[in-house]
Amino acid sequence: EVQLVESGGGLVQPGRSLRLSCAVSGFTFDDYAMHWVRQAPGKGLEWVSSISWNSNYIGYADSVKGRFTISRDNAKSSLYLQMNSLRAEDMALYYCAKDRNSYFYRWYLDLWGRGTLVTVSS
Amino acid sequence: DIQLTQSPSSLSASVGGRVTITCRASQSIISYLSWYQQKPGKAPKLLIFGASSLQGGVPSRFSGSGSGTDFTLNISSLQPEDFATYYCQQGYISPPTFGQGTRVEIK
Repeated sequence: EVQLVESGGGLVQPGRSLRLSCAVSGFTFDDYAMHWVRQAPGKGLEWVSSISWNSNYIGYADSVKGRFTISRDNAKSSLYLQMNSLRAEDMALYYCAKDRNSYFYRWYLDLWGRGTLVTVSS
Repeated sequence: DIQLTQSPSSLSASVGGRVTITCRASQSIISYLSWYQQKPGKAPKLLIFGASSLQGGVPSRFSGSGSGTDFTLNISSLQPEDFATYYCQQGYISPPTFGQGTRVEIK
C-alpha cells in the first residue's frame, strides 16, 4: 500500500525550530520529486518547498526562504523539512506530497500524506 | 507570482447534476494546470493534470479543459462523494500557486 506519513508537528514558540519528517512506503521513493505544502486552519493550500529525486534541485516559497530547509534520505525513503525561526504565520497543517515526475518542473502532486499540524504560539 | 482565481467560490448542486468550476490565471500557463479535490479533514487528491489528463483511478465523470489563461473542471453527474472543495494549481512557473478553492455543497 502506498503511504506517506508525516510526523514531527506540535506546539512551538515563535522563533524556535521544528523538524518535520515524511516516511514513504509503497513506491520507489528515489524515482520522484517530493514536496511540502501547507494549509493554515480554514484556509487554502500553499506550496512550501520542493526537492528533486537526487536533491540537486530545490525550491522554496519566498515566505520560508532562508528559514526552512528541505532534504531527503533516499536510503530511508524519507523527506524532511527543517523549520527555523518559526512565526505565527507558519502555523498550518503541513502535507508531504509526491510528484508524478523525478523533477518538479510541472508540480503535479499525485499522492499526499494526511499532514502534521504545526502550532506556533507563545 | 501567477494568481489563480476560481469561480464560483461556492456552489450548491444536486446529486446527478452537472457542475462547472472555472479557474483563470493572471497570465498564460499553457496547459500546466492541475485540479485537486479535498474533503473535510482529508488530504487533497489529484484529479486532473496537464489541464485535461485524468489521474489514474479518478472517475470519468470528472473532466478538465482549457489552455492559456482559462480552465474548467466539469463533473458530469454529481455523486454524494463529490461534495468537497476543489482547487486548481498552476505548474508553469515557480512558485506553483493554487486557486482559493471552490466549495461544492449539497442542494
